[in-house]
Amino acid sequence: DAKTTQPPSMDCAEGRAANLPCNHSTISGNEYVYWYRQIHSQGPQYIIHGLKNNETNEMASLIITEDRKSSTLILPHATLRDTAVYYCIVRVSNFGNEKLTFGTGTRLTIIP
Amino acid sequence: DGGITQSPKYLFRKEGQNVTLSCEQNLNHDAMYWYRQDPGQGLRLIYYSQIVNDFQKGDIAEGYSVSREKKESFPLTVTSAQKNPTAFYLCASRKPGPSGNTIYFGEGSWLTVV
Repeated sequence: DAKTTQPPSMDCAEGRAANLPCNHSTISGNEYVYWYRQIHSQGPQYIIHGLKNNETNEMASLIITEDRKSSTLILPHATLRDTAVYYCIVRVSNFGNEKLTFGTGTRLTIIP
Repeated sequence: DGGITQSPKYLFRKEGQNVTLSCEQNLNHDAMYWYRQDPGQGLRLIYYSQIVNDFQKGDIAEGYSVSREKKESFPLTVTSAQKNPTAFYLCASRKPGPSGNTIYFGEGSWLTVV
């Protein structure tokens, strides 16, 4: 799986959009970009994933650059409950063992 | 609501004892997984099962055992052979999809050896 690089921490004002970047310059054509978040002492929560098109769901939007070497997770209206560690993962989505490699992620703090 | 239920949330074990962590899912997912997370670290795969009555070792299977007698259940036993069992344990299941598979996690179980 391709390596990802994320800033270690970010702050965002409550009510504003939180934009979390992720670099994955070695991504292959068949690798998806996944985003999870983990609140302390809880299991990781799936947010969104995509291959090359931008994706949106009820939680967030995922913007993938045309060359697929980077992506941005957007939380449109951040709330205090969005404070968590956010993980960007790049992997082939196939049937088999799921060796999800979670790096250190970005610790997002929403400020009142 | 459908989901993955892990129990207990917190468990204390004396050295030399075996303990079993429960994982139940009502999502009708075929594949289930156990991961271990140490403080400040990422997830490491212990065991996974793609179908009932079948399971495979992950990266750190030594000192652990599993069973998959029912689709809904994938219990993990931490044996006395596991030298450093204190950790956060996460159970997960996989949802297949035309636009990529998605892994969903339970809330986790904290195991502390005392």
